[in-house]
Amino acid sequence: DIQMTQSPSSLSASVGDRVTITCRASQSISTSLNWYQQKPGKAPKLLIYAASSLLSGVPSRFSGSGSGTDFSLTISSLQPEDFATYYCQQSYNNVPITFGHGTRLDIK
Amino acid sequence: QVQLVQSGAEVKKPGASVKVSCTASGYMFTGFHMHWVRQAPGQGLEWMGRINPKNGDTVYEQKFQGRVTLTRDTSLTTAYLELSRLKSDDTAVYFCARRKVIDYYYDAFDIWGQGTMVTVSS
Repeated sequence: DIQMTQSPSSLSASVGDRVTITCRASQSISTSLNWYQQKPGKAPKLLIYAASSLLSGVPSRFSGSGSGTDFSLTISSLQPEDFATYYCQQSYNNVPITFGHGTRLDIK
Repeated sequence: QVQLVQSGAEVKKPGASVKVSCTASGYMFTGFHMHWVRQAPGQGLEWMGRINPKNGDTVYEQKFQGRVTLTRDTSLTTAYLELSRLKSDDTAVYFCARRKVIDYYYDAFDIWGQGTMVTVSS
């Protein structure tokens, strides 16, 4: 199975800050990497697919990059609604699907 | 609109079984694989398996083999997750999620159900 390692596990930041979350795969997954946002009590929401493609309707302050084993999610200027937990997920292997353990983004 | 609506919360005793439903609307049910993901309290996302609603073909995460059964009823556009021999560490929110193929090569979970809380307690 492909293991996904996210860092940091938690992060405190202020509105307006630029933050970056990283995700590393245990083997090359090309650009088959998705990012999700989850707020408490809600289902995850897809933000970015194929490592860097923004889903329609997702604000442009979100961006993704990377290929092979190393990926990142950047929020250019944090807004109050961005405080949530973020997960990466590899879709290189159809099964099993694996997720990173999540990065909790809190208000400083 | 496109949505997945899951059944309500369940409380079960250890050793029992639970069956969670996920009803799809707003799209062709048989055109997209349905996956199940669970999340224990305060923990991350754990993939359990998937079903192809078109032919009923299933694939399960090895950890759940022998305890999980995924089925579907195309006439009701509903997918089901049944988990047997429940243990306390099966306490979690269970999500169904639609897998969408994007740009021919990539895929992601673009639509999720609201989640079903299953509590296993004696």
